[in-house]
Amino acid sequence: DTAVSQTPKYLVTQMGNDKSIKCEQNLGHDTMYWYKQDSKKFLKIMFSYNNKELIINETVPNRFSPKSPDKAHLNLHINSLELGDSAVYFCASSQASGANVLTFGAGSRLTVL
Amino acid sequence: AQSVTQLDSQVPVFEEAPVELRCNYSSSVSVYLFWYVQYPNQGLQLLLKYLSGSTLVKGINGFEAEFNKSQTSFHLRKPSVHISDTAEYFCAVRGGSGGGADGLTFGKGTHLIIQP
Repeated sequence: DTAVSQTPKYLVTQMGNDKSIKCEQNLGHDTMYWYKQDSKKFLKIMFSYNNKELIINETVPNRFSPKSPDKAHLNLHINSLELGDSAVYFCASSQASGANVLTFGAGSRLTVL
Repeated sequence: AQSVTQLDSQVPVFEEAPVELRCNYSSSVSVYLFWYVQYPNQGLQLLLKYLSGSTLVKGINGFEAEFNKSQTSFHLRKPSVHISDTAEYFCAVRGGSGGGADGLTFGKGTHLIIQP
């Protein structure tokens, strides 16, 4: 059983298109995150949600819109894709109380042509 | 706010040799510290964590790390590496006494290259 699953794993699309990445966790965690990993492997947090409430919204273009229909799901929708959006996007989850150890999904590699 | 510095972007090591990957952190509050490993084309896997107590922390795959508060360091070590240890290693920090949805702040990663 995959703890944090993301779909799709690979996504190739044209500039200007709109795309979504889905994330689901079956760990019973109450907090979910989106991280972006650039071509130099640097990981930066984009958003965090706790019990479906947006907690962190880092400096991310408003073309990126997270949506959390319930505690187990956090989807990422991206409008008007740009070349610079090409990256690997990681979903993660944790329990907000305690040490907050994050469990990561396998990543979704987005390529914008 | 917290920050993490991984001093080496790349570390080449011969197989069966020891290795140390360096990590320094900056925080105005007490911290939790983590090392994650990312194998090629995979997600991040937790290697080990320091929350409190003993400063020497043992993790999976024979790795260990030592928390040094005075030097604000959390270096990762392994006495004998294998080809399968080739991966990207990330040090991460979370500040505070627990709780919240702040996530982790990551260093820029160290690419460990094992040479036969």
